[in-house]
This record gives sequence, structure tokens and C-alpha cells, in this order.
Amino acid sequence: AQKVTQAQTEISVVEKEDVTLDCVYETRDTTYYLFWYKQPPSGELVFLIRRNSFDEQNEISGRYSWNFQKSTSSFNFTITASQVVDSAVYFCALSDPYNTDKLIFGTGTRLQVFP
Amino acid sequence: NAGVTQTPKFRILKIGQSMTLQCAQDMNHNYMYWYRQDPGMGLKLIYYSVGAGITDKGEVPNGYNVSRSTTEDFPLRLELAAPSQTSVYFCASSPETTEAFFGQGTRLTVV
Repeated sequence: AQKVTQAQTEISVVEKEDVTLDCVYETRDTTYYLFWYKQPPSGELVFLIRRNSFDEQNEISGRYSWNFQKSTSSFNFTITASQVVDSAVYFCALSDPYNTDKLIFGTGTRLQVFP
Repeated sequence: NAGVTQTPKFRILKIGQSMTLQCAQDMNHNYMYWYRQDPGMGLKLIYYSVGAGITDKGEVPNGYNVSRSTTEDFPLRLELAAPSQTSVYFCASSPETTEAFFGQGTRLTVV
């Protein structure tokens, strides 16, 4: 069965601190996609990144970076120099592209960035 | 640039009432999904569709029904509302093997 675990329920940091959100996944598929979504206080879901299971290269986008390690089934997300606008709930998700791309979500990590 | 449009945004239902949550997408995506998000939880899949005329159950389908008569529309029906169906409902669509595009959500309260 597929499963996504985000063990950190809530994280609080002070602005400009770096913060890493953990994501561990389980799947028996060899082909899959991993995602991160952001849910700000307004409630919508904002797509951040999609990673193919065959692409283990780390990715950086501005202050955001992602570390994908198949050996530990992890897809961690780091925000460098956090800002108050980063305060949100962040969801990690897994999908099977050969099974209608249904998303399996983790329970989310609430990040609070204080000024 | 409408994307995925959900209506209504908010609704209060009494126990036993019925309602339909509307979802429409203008991106010609084949795949569409309904998820529910309970407080402090991730999203769980209720129903999904891979194209017009084809629907299937997700993880938590009990108490819901769907139909997909056109590519654009994927309504979710609650027949006999129960307090356990109080949740935020998200509709999403996908063009296959890429990220899902989500609507703004419908916050439903059953009292």
C-alpha cells in the first residue's frame, strides 16, 4: 500500500531561520511521482514541485530546495531564510502515474514563521 | 484563466439534507478528482474520473455519489448529510502524469 508520512505536525521558527520539512513515503511501485503543495491560511492548494522517481537530483528554486533520496524513501523540503509569508501548511504527496495519478497525501506540517 | 471552479464556497446543511457540490474545469483535462480535508489531516480521495462517463471510488466514498457526463463537469452529490461529512471539499483536475490543479475548495458544515 502507498503511504506518506509527515512526522512533524507543527514547526515554529523565527524569520530568517532555515527550516526543513520531512517527508517519508512508502510504495512498491518503481515509477511514481512525489509532490509538495502549500496551503496558506486562505485555504487554496498551491503546487510547489513534482519529482519523478527516476530523477534523484536535488532541486533549488529561490529559497526553496528539495532533497530526494530513494535509499531512505524521503523527499524533504528546505526553506532557506524563512519569511512570514512562508507560514502555511505544507503537504507532501505521492502518485502512481499508471493508476490515474491519484494523490496520496501526508497529514501536513504547519509552519509558523514569526517576525 | 478560470482553471478549476468550485461552487459554492461555503454551505451549511442540516442533517439529512441533500446537496450537490459543483466542479468545472476549462483545461480539457481527462482526470478529475474529489478530495475531502478534515481538520489537521491530509486530503483523502472520495471519487475520481478518468474521462466522461467513467467514475470510480476512492478511499472514502461512503455517503457520496458522482457523475461525469462531460469532460468539464464533475459534480459531487451528498444524499443524506451527516455531521461526519463536515469538511472542506476540493475538486482537482489533471492532464495525466503531471500535477493536479485544485479548485478553491468548498467548506461544508452539517448541523
